[in-house]
Amino acid sequence: GIQVEQSPPDLILQEGANSTLRCNFSDSVNNLQWFHQNPWGQLINLFYIPSGTKQNGRLSATTVATERYSLLYISSSQTTDSGVYFCAVERSGNNDMRFGAGTRLTVKP
Amino acid sequence: DAGVTQSPTHLIKTRGQQVTLRCSPKSGHDTVSWYQQALGQGPQFIFQYYEEEERQRGNFPDRFSGHQFPNYSSELNVNALLLGDSALYLCASSLPGLAGGRSYEQYFGPGTRLTVT
Repeated sequence: GIQVEQSPPDLILQEGANSTLRCNFSDSVNNLQWFHQNPWGQLINLFYIPSGTKQNGRLSATTVATERYSLLYISSSQTTDSGVYFCAVERSGNNDMRFGAGTRLTVKP
Repeated sequence: DAGVTQSPTHLIKTRGQQVTLRCSPKSGHDTVSWYQQALGQGPQFIFQYYEEEERQRGNFPDRFSGHQFPNYSSELNVNALLLGDSALYLCASSLPGLAGGRSYEQYFGPGTRLTVT
């Protein structure tokens, strides 16, 4: 099956810093989503981005489907950005979404 | 616009028992997928239901079964519970998408935390 690798596994930042999270995947995909999981376990949709670039406030994402990677940018980080960020993909022709192992972000005040 | 809802929020069961978890999809969605998330790991796909049938299944044993009702809500049943079944169970809904074609954004419910003792 498709492999999804996220890096870094852990990231510690000071409030106000910028960060880049990476997601590599091993096959063609027709769905790629970024999620933020809060401490209660809720997966919050950040971006649906099988290709291209999107921005939402301090967050933006870019997927280069031909090179099989996606990047999530967080600018001017806040303590409320802390949590685990997941990348998830659906391989073309499949209906099962595969998740990476996540990046645990800690933003210190 | 009602989001994805799940019940119960927490559940404690004993080894060997059976459990049923419930999910109502987001308004306008007719496809429901179930995921298991063990502590410290990413969610793993269990199966997906569309038009009241299991459309795709992940690498889970037959002890895991499901059902989708005409109103698109869904149940996940787990028989003969093992300690290793302790996890957060997540339900997601979406539009159906097309095999080999476009897939649609999935939206997740708050989850059911199952503890097996």
